[in-house]
Amino acid sequence: QKEVEQDPGPLSVPEGAIVSLNCTYSNSAFQYFMWYRQYSRKGPELLMYTYSSGNKEDGRFTAQVDKSSKYISLFIRDSQPSDSATYLCAMSSNAGNMLTFGGGTRLMVKP
Amino acid sequence: DVKVTQSSRYLVKRTGEKVFLECVQDMDHENMFWYRQDPGLGLRLIYFSYDVKMKEKGDIPEGYSVSREKKERFSLILESASTNQTSMYLCASSLTGGPGYTFGSGTRLTVV
Repeated sequence: QKEVEQDPGPLSVPEGAIVSLNCTYSNSAFQYFMWYRQYSRKGPELLMYTYSSGNKEDGRFTAQVDKSSKYISLFIRDSQPSDSATYLCAMSSNAGNMLTFGGGTRLMVKP
Repeated sequence: DVKVTQSSRYLVKRTGEKVFLECVQDMDHENMFWYRQDPGLGLRLIYFSYDVKMKEKGDIPEGYSVSREKKERFSLILESASTNQTSMYLCASSLTGGPGYTFGSGTRLTVV
């Protein structure tokens, strides 16, 4: 079993939909949680960074961490075709430590 | 704007060739990483470095070596390229205690 599990998709939604992307993990030591967005043929870029449990909002994006369930989510409101990308979750036990990545979920937002 | 720059976007090499992939960061980051990314396999760590002249093996180091002679530069070397090393190669850097990694744009290597 992988340390971080992520549904590979693809997830196809209409423009304007609310998107929910999720990761589960097994290592209870993880405290720092990140979401990366990767466009086709590009490197991943950091989208959201959170520490411990709770929610963090940035524009149309909300990151949610539930450490008791070992489950993290990224919500995208009013999804746009430009949100079409692969989304990777990543986590670590200490700030700046080695990251463990999920396999990525491919999202397609159709106009 | 801070950057991690990979020298080539696309590269085609022949089997048996020695291949050099270069990565430069301008953020004074201590840590640098090389990953390969393949469909269905996600990101796999090849090598990483916490300091100049230091290197550590990742999950799949076989067939690769690295060099870090200067803080800003981390090179990945394929000693004798093989077709199973055809992949997307991603370089990343991070600051100890900092938020996450900064990735380069990737090098898509094809070995024929």
